[in-house]
Amino acid sequence: DIQMTQSPSSLSASVGDRVTITCRASQSISTYLNWYQQKPGKAPNLLIYAASNLQSGVPSRFSGSGSGTDFTLTISSLQPEDFATYYCQQSYSSPWTFGQGTKVEIK
Amino acid sequence: QVQLVQSGAEVKKPGASVKVSCKASGYTFISYDIIWVRQATGQGLEWMGWMNPNSGNTGFAQKFQGRVTMTRNTSISTAYMELSSLRSEDTAVYYCARGSRTFDSWGQGTLVTVSS
Repeated sequence: DIQMTQSPSSLSASVGDRVTITCRASQSISTYLNWYQQKPGKAPNLLIYAASNLQSGVPSRFSGSGSGTDFTLTISSLQPEDFATYYCQQSYSSPWTFGQGTKVEIK
Repeated sequence: QVQLVQSGAEVKKPGASVKVSCKASGYTFISYDIIWVRQATGQGLEWMGWMNPNSGNTGFAQKFQGRVTMTRNTSISTAYMELSSLRSEDTAVYYCARGSRTFDSWGQGTLVTVSS
């Protein structure tokens, strides 16, 4: 199975900050990488697919980049509604696996 | 709009089985795979398996092989996930989602509690 490792596990940031979350795959997955946002008590929500494609309806302050084994999710200017946990997921090889999550908290 | 609505919370004893439903609306049910993911309290997301609602074909994570069944009723656009031989470690929120590799719509989740 492909292991997905996110860093950091948590971070504190202020409204307006630029935030970057990293995801590393245990082997090359090309650009088969998705990002999800999950708020407490809610289901995950797809933000980015195929590493850099913004899902319909997702604000443009979210962006994704990377290929191979290293990927990043960037929030250009953090908004109050962005405080949540973010997960990466590889879609290269079954079983589809997720990172352990990065919790973005209010500073 | 696309919507997946799951059945309500369940409490089961160890060794029992649970069956969770996932009713789809807003799209053609047989055109997209349905997958199931679970999340223990405070933990991450764990993919359990997939089902093609058109063919009924399924595939499961090795961890759940022999314990999970995924079925559907196309006449009511509903998918089902049944997990047997429950143990305390199966206590989690179970989600259905649409898609085969990328999951673009999710159910609200069903809490399954396994306790004696």
